[in-house]
Amino acid sequence: GENVEQHPSTLSVQEGDSAVIKCTYSDSASNYFPWYKQELGKRPQLIIDIRSNVGEKKDQRIAVTLNKTAKHFSLHITETQPEDSAVYFCAASISGNTPLVFGKGTRLSVIA
Amino acid sequence: KAGVTQTPRYLIKTRGQQVTLSCSPISGHRSVSWYQQTPGQGLQFLFEYFSETQRNKGNFPGRFSGRQFSNSRSEMNVSTLELGDSALYLCASRGGVSTGYTFGSGTRLTVV
Repeated sequence: GENVEQHPSTLSVQEGDSAVIKCTYSDSASNYFPWYKQELGKRPQLIIDIRSNVGEKKDQRIAVTLNKTAKHFSLHITETQPEDSAVYFCAASISGNTPLVFGKGTRLSVIA
Repeated sequence: KAGVTQTPRYLIKTRGQQVTLSCSPISGHRSVSWYQQTPGQGLQFLFEYFSETQRNKGNFPGRFSGRQFSNSRSEMNVSTLELGDSALYLCASRGGVSTGYTFGSGTRLTVV
């Protein structure tokens, strides 16, 4: 089955800097890659997703890139703010057929 | 539009007891998935239901079971509780194969 590895497990950045979180997946058939943000004591919330027919997607300060050949995808957050501090999870699935398999998460701390 | 509703929010049970958790998906969503979240293992898939049928099942013992009703509400049951079952149990729903999952706030189960 699918296996998703996520790095780093913790990340500290200065406010205004960029943050990058990387994930690799094992199943070449996976074609849907969402990212979730979970603030302390709250539910995971979908912040951006990408499908295998595109290589990059942006939404304001957040972008995700996908390299199907290498089977890895990354989350990029620019101009980080203290409210970006949270745990971020990547996931992969074969859309419509298999459940989301999550990485172990990255705890991002943005230092003001 | 109401989100995914999980009840109860908190539960404390004794080893050996059984517990039932409830999830009401977003109106119109027919797919409901359950995840167990623990600090060490992250988000682990339990099962997925669609139109009252279990479509996928994760690698959990038979003590973990679930069902879905005709109104798409879902329940999961854990029998013979063990200390290691202490976790946040998250339910997620989606409206179609091309849409993302929306998570509920979870039920925090503590087994003592």
